Amino acid sequence: EAGVTQFPSHSVIEKGQTVTLRCDPISGHDNLYWYRRVMGKEIKFLLHFVKESKQDESGMPNNRFLAERTGGTYSTLKVQPAELEDSGVYFCASSQSVATNEKLFFGSGTQLSVL
Amino acid sequence: EDQVTQSPEALRLQEGESSSLNCSYTVSGLRGLFWYRQDPGKGPEFLFTLYSAGEEKEKERLKATLTKKESFLHITAPKPEDSATYLCAVRGNSGYSTLTFGKGTMLLVSP
Repeated sequence: EAGVTQFPSHSVIEKGQTVTLRCDPISGHDNLYWYRRVMGKEIKFLLHFVKESKQDESGMPNNRFLAERTGGTYSTLKVQPAELEDSGVYFCASSQSVATNEKLFFGSGTQLSVL
Repeated sequence: EDQVTQSPEALRLQEGESSSLNCSYTVSGLRGLFWYRQDPGKGPEFLFTLYSAGEEKEKERLKATLTKKESFLHITAPKPEDSATYLCAVRGNSGYSTLTFGKGTMLLVSP
């Protein structure tokens, strides 16, 4: 069974540019989450999709971040325009259903560096 | 606001030298305490979920225990392949979707 796939694995951009991160969850997983780890800090929740709907986006830092999950399959997280403080590792995770959402399967993350 | 504090930040053990990692938490209505393992360049990998004080779970050389204020991850006779960062996280009533993570304990087991 394929795991959660994230692309790209690394991205280096300049301040003010736009970056789009992609996450392909495990097939059949309705729940998709985005988390972020800034250097020296703990992993923090960004948002949660159930199928194509945003269940909880309370962790999104500001309106420069836009997450989508069209069709309830893969998800994208766009940062526009990127700022220095957006640097970090962005993790995507998925789980099978709302009833069994405790066990999250994480991708390997996208390391974003904003210069 | 839910909070998780892990100690120590880093731990170096000799192969076979047992020890414990600590996770202290404050949460409004615990709905689950989670342990994950993270290897360099990888995402967190699920180990255990504990739901109530007194609960224990085991997997190979790892045993997780839970009280009302903290959880311990006991590592018995560790091997070099147990080297990783161990993350603790909680889910409470305040955030249906949210896992609140600690910063983790980086474990290095030397042969």
